[in-house]
Amino acid sequence: GENVEQHPSTLSVQEGDSAVIKCTYSDSASNYFPWYKQELGKGPQLIIDIRSNVGEKKDQRIAVTLNKTAKHFSLHITETQPEDSAVYFCAARYAGGTSYGKLTFGQGTILTVHP
Amino acid sequence: ETGVTQTPRHLVMGMTNKKSLKCEQHLGHNAMYWYKQSAKKPLELMFVYNFKEQTENNSVPSRFSPECPNSSHLFLHLHTLQPEDSALYLCASSTQEGENTEAFFGQGTRLTVV
Repeated sequence: GENVEQHPSTLSVQEGDSAVIKCTYSDSASNYFPWYKQELGKGPQLIIDIRSNVGEKKDQRIAVTLNKTAKHFSLHITETQPEDSAVYFCAARYAGGTSYGKLTFGQGTILTVHP
Repeated sequence: ETGVTQTPRHLVMGMTNKKSLKCEQHLGHNAMYWYKQSAKKPLELMFVYNFKEQTENNSVPSRFSPECPNSSHLFLHLHTLQPEDSALYLCASSTQEGENTEAFFGQGTRLTVV
């Protein structure tokens, strides 16, 4: 099965700085890598995803990069704002078996943006 | 709102009680999932249903019993739980087809076993 490692577990930045969260995965067959943001008292919400035929994807202040050879992918948030403070999870979809939606999650990163 | 609704939002139960968690989605998805979220741990997949059929049981103790009567509803029946079962239980749904494999999560049920 898939194994996903996420670092750092906590990240503290000043407003306006950039934040980078990194994940590695073990199964080379994985082909879908979403990032979720979880605010207090809410369920995880998808913020950006990338598929294995793409190396980078950007959506306003958020970008994700994927290195399939090294089996790692990263989330980049630029010009951080206090409302970016949340727990961020990376995930990888294990492409084998019958369960195409099955995701393996990283341990999560608590991001705090100080005003 | 993600289109996935979970009830109740909070639940406190004794170890001898029987209770059920409910999840409902009206997104037209065919796959539904139960995840457990404990402090300082990754989200743990518990069960997967595809087209109402259970396709995954991730070595979950029998005191957790899922039920999927149709593609829009998913239940998690709880009985004789332990304090270590206290956690946030998240339901998610996704479509099986094509490239759209985004999973939508509900807000979760915060379960406390006393």
